[in-house]
Amino acid sequence: DQQVKQNSPSLSVQEGRISILNCDYTNSMFDYFLWYKKYPAEGPTFLISISSIKDKNEDGRFTVFLNKSAKHLSLHIVPSQPGDSAVYFCAAETGTASKLTFGTGTRLQVTL
Amino acid sequence: DAGITQSPRYKITETGRQVTLMCHQTWSHSYMFWYRQDLGHGLRLIYYSAAADITDKGEVPDGYVVSRSKTENFPLTLESATRSQTSVYFCASSESWLGRSGTSTDTQYFGPGTRLTVL
Repeated sequence: DQQVKQNSPSLSVQEGRISILNCDYTNSMFDYFLWYKKYPAEGPTFLISISSIKDKNEDGRFTVFLNKSAKHLSLHIVPSQPGDSAVYFCAAETGTASKLTFGTGTRLQVTL
Repeated sequence: DAGITQSPRYKITETGRQVTLMCHQTWSHSYMFWYRQDLGHGLRLIYYSAAADITDKGEVPDGYVVSRSKTENFPLTLESATRSQTSVYFCASSESWLGRSGTSTDTQYFGPGTRLTVL
């Protein structure tokens, strides 16, 4: 039972355009959400997070939107850059011992 | 070096052998975690620890054993390796109960991973 779903395994976007990565969840107990970026042969690195009491969090080119009623969050990258090409994981935490449940990841390719 | 390290980075072993993957962090973080990454599954939690001498099972604990005698170390042992345990293993640590500190950098920090192949 996949509680955090990333239904798009891959996404290709032109440099300078907006990248939108989506994530859906089923567990209404999740109250903290994170996005991680992962390059090949490296560990995931933290990108941005959002608490369930907010609906938007922004950090430079990265914005995360949370729609609790739809159990949906999205990551917007504007403008997209070639260095953004990586696998992006959505993760959610229930408030129990900081355990995270991860999605399956979306591979973003930013083309020139 | 400060941070979180894993060793070995690559390991090939045979079915039935015991293997231990090491994880070391220098931040004195309370929480530590082991994940495995497999195609189609993302990262799945194997075991976690809230403090020294406190460990608990995650989503996929079968076939694995952990210990945490010191805050900075969290070794993962495969007691009798099987081919299904071929995977990339990531260790992570976090300082606080995520989302409660109020800081935007409240997160788990990941090591570089160990690629394990069981023949």
